[in-house]
Amino acid sequence: DAGVIQSPRHEVTEMGQEVTLRCKPISGHDYLFWYRQTMMRGLELLIYFNNNVPIDDSGMPEDRFSAKMPNASFSTLKIQPSEPRDSAVYFCASSFGSQPQHFGDGTRLSIL
Amino acid sequence: AQSVTQLGSHVSVSEGALVLLRCNYSSSVPPYLFWYVQYPNQGLQLLLKYTSAATLVKGINGFEAEFKKSETSFHLTKPSAHMSDAAEYFCAVSDTKTGGFKTIFGAGTRLFVKA
Repeated sequence: DAGVIQSPRHEVTEMGQEVTLRCKPISGHDYLFWYRQTMMRGLELLIYFNNNVPIDDSGMPEDRFSAKMPNASFSTLKIQPSEPRDSAVYFCASSFGSQPQHFGDGTRLSIL
Repeated sequence: AQSVTQLGSHVSVSEGALVLLRCNYSSSVPPYLFWYVQYPNQGLQLLLKYTSAATLVKGINGFEAEFKKSETSFHLTKPSAHMSDAAEYFCAVSDTKTGGFKTIFGAGTRLFVKA
């Protein structure tokens, strides 16, 4: 079975540019989570969706960050404008109900 | 609010030695508990989960964890470390306030295995 698929795997861009990260959850999963991982702050939950509806976005750091889930098989996390402090590894995870989450391999984002 | 504390950000063992990674949780109700492993340049993978069926939980790759309610602990062990076990390990607890759908992760413990 295909796992959670994230794209791109690596992204390098200049400060001020718009960045869009993409995620395809596992088919049949009804929860989708976006995390950010850094050495300083560890793993942080940014936002999560249930049945495509955002449930808790209290972890989104600023208005520059936005996330959407237009359908059950696709979600995006957008940063506009990007800043060097946004450099991190961003993970998407999905789950069915309260079952354990399945993680993608992440997008390593570098903002110059 | 639930929380997870992992004791030791780094643990180093010799190949063949016992692995012990410590985790304590706080929860006002019986929790679901998990251990995840993260290899370099990969996402987190589930090692094992505790859902109240048995206090000793066996996971993949020879790992197991024991739920001790009196100590609010869920330590991860493996009798004999292998070089391939070098990774970062995360203890996690389900957030029962949200119905268990949200997971709270510990800060992680990086395991080093010496030859």
